[in-house]
Amino acid sequence: ILNVEQSPQSLHVQEGDSTNFTCSFPSSNFYALHWYRWETAKSPEALFVMTLNGDEKKKGRISATLNTKEGYSYLYIKGSQPEDSATYLCASGPSGTYKYIFGTGTRLKVLA
Amino acid sequence: DTEVTQTPKHLVMGMTNKKSLKCEQHMGHRAMYWYKQKAKKPPELMFVYSYEKLSINESVPSRFSPECPNSSLLNLHLHALQPEDSALYLCASRATGSYEQYFGPGTRLTVT
Repeated sequence: ILNVEQSPQSLHVQEGDSTNFTCSFPSSNFYALHWYRWETAKSPEALFVMTLNGDEKKKGRISATLNTKEGYSYLYIKGSQPEDSATYLCASGPSGTYKYIFGTGTRLKVLA
Repeated sequence: DTEVTQTPKHLVMGMTNKKSLKCEQHMGHRAMYWYKQKAKKPPELMFVYSYEKLSINESVPSRFSPECPNSSLLNLHLHALQPEDSALYLCASRATGSYEQYFGPGTRLTVT
């Protein structure tokens, strides 16, 4: 994998459902993996930064896991709420040149 | 203060106009970034400043001219833009030694 890829591209779930998305990234020269939550007309908000293989992070109902050897991360949302509706972006980096590589995001819509 | 501010929020300009985008942070971050984001695409890195010096220019056309007059401020000067330059322009900053970027809300630019 040369780029950062996210799936699915978009997702509609019912309130109360749990859901998860995938981020795939280049496993060579790995530095850190970032998850952002981005609501329309607002700044992307950092959710998690993970650096170690096997890392698991949790913030409220949202959690993330990291596998650096195979180059993927999962983001989980338990008991989705309408306010979770947003685009979830992942990014790999920074590299030694300060660069980050972003995925295209997963657009989540939680229906009440 | 963990905020990155960007002005203006929206900008409409003609192809012969000269305008500037402004980004400001007071977190003491010494790396600052400009990204361009088109709909349904990942943020695309344009420029990186480190300690007020340009460290990365991702082969951006010269009609975009960045400037970092001090450690808190980052400008993007625009001149003779094309309609395809219409996009969301995001600014971000990062502390030395940290992996985490902080984003502004972006400037939505339309070139007519």
